[in-house]
Amino acid sequence: DGGITQSPKYLFRKEGQNVTLSCEQNLNHDAMYWYRQDPGQGLRLIYYSQIVNDFQKGDIAEGYSVSREKKESFPLTVTSAQKNPTAFYLCASSRGSGRSSDTQYFGPGTRLTVL
Amino acid sequence: AQSVSQHNHHVILSEAASLELGCNYSYGGTVNLFWYVQYPGQHLQLLLKYFSGDPLVKGIKGFEAEFIKSKFSFNLRKPSVQWSDTAEYFCAVTPSFYGGSQGNLIFGKGTKLSVKP
Repeated sequence: DGGITQSPKYLFRKEGQNVTLSCEQNLNHDAMYWYRQDPGQGLRLIYYSQIVNDFQKGDIAEGYSVSREKKESFPLTVTSAQKNPTAFYLCASSRGSGRSSDTQYFGPGTRLTVL
Repeated sequence: AQSVSQHNHHVILSEAASLELGCNYSYGGTVNLFWYVQYPGQHLQLLLKYFSGDPLVKGIKGFEAEFIKSKFSFNLRKPSVQWSDTAEYFCAVTPSFYGGSQGNLIFGKGTKLSVKP
């Protein structure tokens, strides 16, 4: 069953702790993305990666870090430097490879609450 | 900077009513356009997309959208809504050029649709 998985669905952390969100895809997609969704704000791009071992900052990268060591995996770390980390985090992937008609497909999301 | 505007924050309709959700974008060049839907408790799903060709695009579940280049608009329509259409709808745009989207998919803030049975 192909798709994008994110774990866990709900995550609670204490203020000041780093936390890593998992994103895995078995669609053989080259590109992967992380978005943050806040009520009334839509989705905002945090980081994206067009290929393994390469990634670029999105619009709101401050306080976040990523790695792309494997094609299937694109974990996101929310660091203690992120001032408002409580949010719904969505991972997406697409075929990438520079196609202008690329379409992104989304995982189920992780809701992070920082206490 | 590129942006996407969705005119309505929350729309409430009765079943069988017609739906039109507005979406306008600001970008002077060629664009790819998308509508995504997020049903309660479910993940974001692609509803329909426009890349080129016929500006009237048909998607899943009876939805359609019309790209009007002169108005920078990509409004979503459905002739008769159902209770199961209750969801949040997001319009998104990415510039289209040789070299791809490069990850800059820009979303509107979303429109919540509530359909009363």
